[in-house]
Amino acid sequence: DAMVIQNPRYQVTQFGKPVTLSCSQTLNHNVMYWYQQKSSQAPKLLFHYYDKDFNNEADTPDNFQSRRPNTSFCFLDIRSPGLGDAAMYLCATSRRTGTPVFEAFFGQGTRLTVV
Amino acid sequence: AQKVTQAQTEISVVEKEDVTLDCVYETRDTTYYLFWYKQPPSGELVFLIRRNSFDEQNEISGRYSWNFQKSTSSFNFTITASQVVDSAVYFCALILNNAGNMLTFGGGTRLMVKP
Repeated sequence: DAMVIQNPRYQVTQFGKPVTLSCSQTLNHNVMYWYQQKSSQAPKLLFHYYDKDFNNEADTPDNFQSRRPNTSFCFLDIRSPGLGDAAMYLCATSRRTGTPVFEAFFGQGTRLTVV
Repeated sequence: AQKVTQAQTEISVVEKEDVTLDCVYETRDTTYYLFWYKQPPSGELVFLIRRNSFDEQNEISGRYSWNFQKSTSSFNFTITASQVVDSAVYFCALILNNAGNMLTFGGGTRLMVKP
């Protein structure tokens, strides 16, 4: 059974048109992450929620926003997608309560195309 | 700052050959966690193993084995008797105990197993 579910798997959006990607989890993990992965590159962390606390990476553009209405769901909003935002977006979750650090579980990703 | 290096960007082997994927990491912290993930063409990052810095015991899981050596800051991954289904991109990653929840990924190694 899928534990981290991302919808949709493929998303095509127009240049400048806001788009939202969604992620849900059945693991009851307290940490949720959004990664951006461009072709032939490693995933790059955009931001994460530790419980309700939002943590933005310093180099994440303001164009990217996130919402976490409850433990199970997390959304990635791209306010004005540019051609450079075309990528695979990966959602991940992990359990973090001090030590030890547990592994992150990833969804299947949403491949975003900007036209 | 921490860093993970996977010097092999691409490896090609013939089925049934053994193959080792190299991973070298850098950190000044004494407590950290190392991971290997597999990313098949479908896109999902699949967790393979977690190892903490205090546990240098090597591990074997079926055809997979991992060699962790703190003296050389390496965490290498060997696939014995490779199969076509092993074809994927493999990422080594590091997380520090006191650095929030950010996974630092290596650049990935694309493994192609030919029949």
